[in-house]
Amino acid sequence: ELKVEQNPLFLSMQEGKNYTIYCNYSTTSDRLYWYRQDPGKSLESLFVLLSNGAVKQEGRLMASLDTKARLSTLHITAAVHDLSATYFCAVMNNAGNMLTFGGGTRLMVKP
Amino acid sequence: ETGVTQSPTHLIKTRGQQVTLRCSSQSGHNTVSWYQQALGQGPQFIFQYYREEENGRGNFPPRFSGLQFPNYSSELNVNALELDDSALYLCASSGWGNYEQYFGPGTRLTVT
Repeated sequence: ELKVEQNPLFLSMQEGKNYTIYCNYSTTSDRLYWYRQDPGKSLESLFVLLSNGAVKQEGRLMASLDTKARLSTLHITAAVHDLSATYFCAVMNNAGNMLTFGGGTRLMVKP
Repeated sequence: ETGVTQSPTHLIKTRGQQVTLRCSSQSGHNTVSWYQQALGQGPQFIFQYYREEENGRGNFPPRFSGLQFPNYSSELNVNALELDDSALYLCASSGWGNYEQYFGPGTRLTVT
């Protein structure tokens, strides 16, 4: 059974600081997703990582994937208040029909 | 190109009742997946439909059932509602072989 763990579960940081969210998963997969969720809202797609060593960047967020270590990271550079949200990683199973989500990281960026 | 839509937005039901939630997939997408997200948790996979057939199911009891129609829209039916069924229900659509999963706005179900 595929398990996905994120840490930290909660992150409070000052504006302008850098931090990294970690996503570990238990079985082989070559498809990893990062989503953002604002309170009471749906999931907004941030990144899809499809191969070992994949790195994608959008604004202050950068995601990477190491399939050998079964680890993905979401790095936040010079955080701003607008990044406050819950971030989920999700891993696609090998059949390609089921995403398994981590528990989410609730990010709060303080001015 | 229209996005994924879901209806209704909110719903309140009583324990033991039945509910039907609806999802219209993004234009050109033939695959719809349903997820349940309890408060404070990550979404959990219920099932996926591809070309009107169930194509994978998560760890949910048979009282959770679904349909997909020829236009690729989908329904999620839940019978004999329990208090623990209170959650945000999300559907996601994708084109077969397309890696992106586009989520709809969700239906918030409250069971009292």
